[in-house]
Amino acid sequence: EIVLTQSPGTLSLSPGERATLSCRASQSISSSSLAWYQQKPGQAPRLLIYGASSRATGIPDRFSGSGSGTDFTLTISRLEPEDFAVYYCQQYDKSSAFGPGTKVDIK
Amino acid sequence: QVQLVESGGGVVQPGRSLRLSCAASGFTFSSYGMHWVRQAPGKGLEWVAVIWHDGSNKYYVDSVKGRFTISRDNSKSTLYLQMNSLRAEDTAVYFCARSPYSIGWHYFISWGQGALVTVSS
Repeated sequence: EIVLTQSPGTLSLSPGERATLSCRASQSISSSSLAWYQQKPGQAPRLLIYGASSRATGIPDRFSGSGSGTDFTLTISRLEPEDFAVYYCQQYDKSSAFGPGTKVDIK
Repeated sequence: QVQLVESGGGVVQPGRSLRLSCAASGFTFSSYGMHWVRQAPGKGLEWVAVIWHDGSNKYYVDSVKGRFTISRDNSKSTLYLQMNSLRAEDTAVYFCARSPYSIGWHYFISWGQGALVTVSS
């Protein structure tokens, strides 16, 4: 079973700042089978990144993903007001599992 | 456009059963694997179950094995989750989600709006 941990738990930033979110796996994830989702209160999650670094359709280029093996990163280059939300990573290498999430809130 | 609409949620007593449905439109339902993902109130996301495009394979998270059954009717473009022997810890919003491929483990490319299931006496 692959367990994902995300850090930090909460990230307090201002609009225009850069956000760096981390996702670490308990064992190596092959084929970069890692995705990132954004979820706002009362809404379903939205796919942002798949394959560790490929942006989903319609996702702005301020969102980027990187990493391989056990360490992955989601970067939001300049936070827009609509980016304040909870972000989850998901591995789909062996079965499927989510990390606990990182909340990005307004400082 | 792709639409996934869950229904069937509600309040149910512990030990009882409930069936969720997810009506799909805007894509060829029979060509894609489908999942259920849940989210307990104020908590994170938990993958629950997957079914391959033709129903040939089904997999579950350990906590629901033997109690929940995922199924699909491709003629009706509908996904189901039969939930038996419900427990308080099954209380959650249940989302159906679409895989980008017909089989295998993948990310979730589309999501429904969710159906709330509350297990309480």
